[in-house]
Amino acid sequence: GQNIDQPTEMTATEGAIVQINCTYQTSGFNGLFWYQQHAGEAPTFLSYNVLDGLEEKGRFSSFLSRSKGYSYLLLKELQMKDSASYLCAVRVRPYGGATNKLIFGTGTLLAVQP
Amino acid sequence: DTEVTQTPKHLVMGMTNKKSLKCEQHMGHRAMYWYKQKAKKPPELMFVYSYEKLSINESVPSRFSPECPNSSLLNLHLHALQPEDSALYLCASSQGGSRGRNTQYFGPGTRLTVL
Repeated sequence: GQNIDQPTEMTATEGAIVQINCTYQTSGFNGLFWYQQHAGEAPTFLSYNVLDGLEEKGRFSSFLSRSKGYSYLLLKELQMKDSASYLCAVRVRPYGGATNKLIFGTGTLLAVQP
Repeated sequence: DTEVTQTPKHLVMGMTNKKSLKCEQHMGHRAMYWYKQKAKKPPELMFVYSYEKLSINESVPSRFSPECPNSSLLNLHLHALQPEDSALYLCASSQGGSRGRNTQYFGPGTRLTVL
């Protein structure tokens, strides 16, 4: 089966750094995405990793270790507007299929406090 | 421009009604997706169209019927829904094909309530 785990909730302080972890067990791994979703809104793309290592993009960085089935999203200089749900999504190619699909983790609800 | 539009924003329907959700993108993307999202849960894939052909159906009940009239448009026809089908329905699109990043960009969703 396909399994993607994230912590359900996290709390952090404005201006601090927070790391959101994601572990996965999937077949046909073909990349990992992080999305941000504010309540009642659509998910918005944050980052993508397909090779091992760190990808940095402004205040957001994402890390991938394929051998460990592990990724994290690092948010620096936290702002109140970063309060949202953060979704880890693994792209897989189903066996025998030609089309990739995304499988989403359960999401981590981050609350940023003053 | 990474905009995907969806109409309507909100929809309330009875169990005997027939309605349609619409999704449009003008990014030249050739893959389009329908997701269902319940409150405090992640999006769940329903259908994938690739180059205007249905390529994935995640065992969705037949009361949901997708349609891709052309490469820019995606519809979801609804008939005889149940109250448990109430959810946020998200459309997404990506470049398509099997190579490259193929990031999926999401529309704002249609909030559906079935009475």
